[in-house]
Amino acid sequence: LAKTTQPISMDSYEGQEVNITCSHNNIATNDYITWYQQFPSQGPRFIIQGYKTKVTNEVASLFIPADRKSSTLSLPRVSLSDTAVYYCLVFSGNTGKLIFGQGTTLQVKP
Amino acid sequence: DSGVTQTPKHLITATGQRVTLRCSPRSGDLSVYWYQQSLDQGLQFLIQYYNGEERAKGNILERFSAQQFPDLHSELNLSSLELGDSALYFCASSGYRVANTGELFFGEGSRLTVL
Repeated sequence: LAKTTQPISMDSYEGQEVNITCSHNNIATNDYITWYQQFPSQGPRFIIQGYKTKVTNEVASLFIPADRKSSTLSLPRVSLSDTAVYYCLVFSGNTGKLIFGQGTTLQVKP
Repeated sequence: DSGVTQTPKHLITATGQRVTLRCSPRSGDLSVYWYQQSLDQGLQFLIQYYNGEERAKGNILERFSAQQFPDLHSELNLSSLELGDSALYFCASSGYRVANTGELFFGEGSRLTVL
């Protein structure tokens, strides 16, 4: 499985757009890029998944360039409740395996 | 509510003991995953089952074992417990091979404390 690299932590303020970039240089053809959110003492929650270009849902947008070696999770107008750890993962369409990395701790300040 | 149920929510036991954690996946989900989360190790993938069969294995210790039963619930057995086994254990389920997606639904976890 492709290893992912993302910033350990980020700070933002309420109302700002937050972009978290993840690199996955060894991503394979059948792999998908997946992002999860986790609050303390809770299970991770699926945010968004994409293969290439752009995917948008009611929570976030995911931008994936043509070479797929990186991706950017965009959270529009964050609030204090968006303070959490965000994980970028590569999901293997072949094995179904989902390996979590270190994640990015996002701190949203008032 | 993810639809995944884990019991017990909290468990305190002593070193050397054995415990069983139980997971009921979302209705219709055939895949069950187990993860361990400790402060210093992050979320570690342990094992995955699909429709009763082991599908993928991660960093699961030999002292740990798991199985998925015909009704699709799963159990994670932890034996000869050590202090370092204290962690949150998460179960997740998915409709893998139905939807072929990385969207897993996680339970609230079982917090194990080994004294």
